[in-house]
Amino acid sequence: DQQVKQNSPSLSVQEGRISILNCDYTNSMFDYFLWYKKYPAEGPTFLISISSIKDKNEDGRFTVFLNKSAKHLSLHIVPSQPGDSAVYFCAAAPSLGGTSYGKLTFGQGTILTVHP
Amino acid sequence: EAGVAQSPRYKIIEKRQSVAFWCNPISGHATLYWYQQILGQGPKLLIQFQNNGVVDDSQLPKDRFSAERLKGVDSTLKIQPAKLEDSAVYLCASSFQSTGELFFGEGSRLTVL
Repeated sequence: DQQVKQNSPSLSVQEGRISILNCDYTNSMFDYFLWYKKYPAEGPTFLISISSIKDKNEDGRFTVFLNKSAKHLSLHIVPSQPGDSAVYFCAAAPSLGGTSYGKLTFGQGTILTVHP
Repeated sequence: EAGVAQSPRYKIIEKRQSVAFWCNPISGHATLYWYQQILGQGPKLLIQFQNNGVVDDSQLPKDRFSAERLKGVDSTLKIQPAKLEDSAVYLCASSFQSTGELFFGEGSRLTVL
């Protein structure tokens, strides 16, 4: 039972355009959502997060949108740069506090390629 | 600041053999995690330590996997005996406290033949 799904294995965009990565979840107990970025032969690095009490969070070129009723979140990268080419993982946690925070459930990942 | 250190980076073994992975978290990080990432999938939590105590090992296959974090610093993950389906990257992560951001190591890639 995959509780966090990224249905697009890959995405290709032109430099300067918008990249939109999507993620769906099924578990209503998830309360906190994160995006991680992973380059080859490196561990995942934290990118941006959003709590369930919000519907949008921005950090520079990165914006995450959360639609709780649809159990859907998306990551927007504007403008996209070749250095953004990586695997992007969506992750969810049952709560922000306590020992549950690190119990992340990850999606399968989406490979983003940004062409110059 | 030094990141999470893991070794070995790569390991190839035959099925039924044993293997051990080592992780040294960021200094001062009380919480340590081991994740398993099978090719084409996202990382899956195996075990979470808070200092030297286990917080959650519900997804650890305890018949073959074991992990310890003596003295609340570095940690070892062992697989004995290994199966073909254990081929994966084993990621160690740490955080300052259980509510903090997770910092991942580069991972240890295991191939079981």
